[in-house]
Amino acid sequence: QKEVEQNSGPLSVPEGAIASLNCTYSDRVSQSFFWYRQYSGKSPELIMSIYSNGDKEDGRFTAQLNKASQYVSLLIRDSQPSDSATYLCAVRGQSNAGKSTFGDGTTLTVKP
Amino acid sequence: GAVVSQHPSWVICKSGTSVKIECRSLDFQATTMFWYRQFPKQSLMLMATSNEGSKATYEQGVEKDKFLINHASLTLSTLTVTSAHPEDSSFYICSARIGGTEAFFGQGTRLTVV
Repeated sequence: QKEVEQNSGPLSVPEGAIASLNCTYSDRVSQSFFWYRQYSGKSPELIMSIYSNGDKEDGRFTAQLNKASQYVSLLIRDSQPSDSATYLCAVRGQSNAGKSTFGDGTTLTVKP
Repeated sequence: GAVVSQHPSWVICKSGTSVKIECRSLDFQATTMFWYRQFPKQSLMLMATSNEGSKATYEQGVEKDKFLINHASLTLSTLTVTSAHPEDSSFYICSARIGGTEAFFGQGTRLTVV
């Protein structure tokens, strides 16, 4: 079992729809959770970070964390073609100095 | 947001030569930098954690004598791929962390060894 699992996709949604990206993790003591967007040939860009259970909203993005279920998700409202990219979920353990473990990413395509 | 600059963005080298990649934090001091490698359609694989003023911590399976990391200052870390071979061709990415937050990534370096 991978430490961080994501559906590889591709996930395809029409423009204006809500895109839902999911991530599960195996280390129950994980403390920090991150979503990155990576365009083809580019390095990842941090979109959201979440540290406590519940929802965290930032513009069109909402991260949801459920530590009991070891599940973190990213919702993208009013999806735009420019949102088409690979989305990486990253999880970090208890220590702030600790390294992050990345999932393999979900490829999202938003069709005009 | 914080800016991490990585140079060069791409490099082609001959097999057997060495290549140095620089990672700079431009507007903050990074006590910790991370070096990743990413093969096509795969996720980021951590190679090593670089701490200023001390030796880098390498992940299992990463050859420390082949991938030399130097973190001489709070704003600069370098990765040198020594005696490069075609199988070292990959996308190398650095990231730098501010305190306990997640790190910001450099632009990445596309290395092609011919």
